Amino acid sequence: QVQLQESGPGLVKPSETLSLTCAVSGDSISSRAWWSWVRQPPGRGLEWIGQIFQSGSTDYYPALKSRVTISLDRSKNQFSLQLKSVTAADTAVYYCTKNGYFSLAYWGQGTPVTVSS
Amino acid sequence: EIVLTQSPGTLSLSPGERATLSCRASQSVTSTNLAWYQQKPGQSPRLIIYGASTRAAGIPDRFSGSGSGTDFILIISRLEPEDFAVYYCQLFSSPSMYTFGQGTKLEIK
Repeated sequence: QVQLQESGPGLVKPSETLSLTCAVSGDSISSRAWWSWVRQPPGRGLEWIGQIFQSGSTDYYPALKSRVTISLDRSKNQFSLQLKSVTAADTAVYYCTKNGYFSLAYWGQGTPVTVSS
Repeated sequence: EIVLTQSPGTLSLSPGERATLSCRASQSVTSTNLAWYQQKPGQSPRLIIYGASTRAAGIPDRFSGSGSGTDFILIISRLEPEDFAVYYCQLFSSPSMYTFGQGTKLEIK
């Protein structure tokens, strides 16, 4: 059973870069699967950020595309999210997922990130 | 971008009752690309239905999904106490992106 664990700073200053990592266990990041990041602002709904395939191919949510980079680290069996120029609107719980059949099948427990000076 | 609108916003029912949750797309979509999730307070979302009607692994058969075109529904046939949660529908659409509805909160009456 695949397990995902997010990690990274819980507090980021405005205008800086948010960096998170998702460690994968029970599966290989190089398997034929897509891996996604999703976020959820406090008290609000879910927003998909982007995805990466084992080949390194990526797709991003258009509204965030200019600020987002998702990458793989095969040596550590993990993938990462970088979000540049953050503002308070980027405060959220960030989840990593393994995609399934046009869906997000497996989720990490989520990591809260606050943007504040 | 296709918008998903869920209704009602809040549904108040008692255990043992039947719940019907709606998800409407702003234009016709491929049903294989429609999924439903359950999220309890303080927990990650859990996939319950994919392909509009296929239950994910370990999901009890009181959960069922159906629909086509622009209108999709999630039915919970007999509510158990653990079913009270927020439910989201989700669409995978061109150009390779996922979008979510705003959620329906299913609360105990």
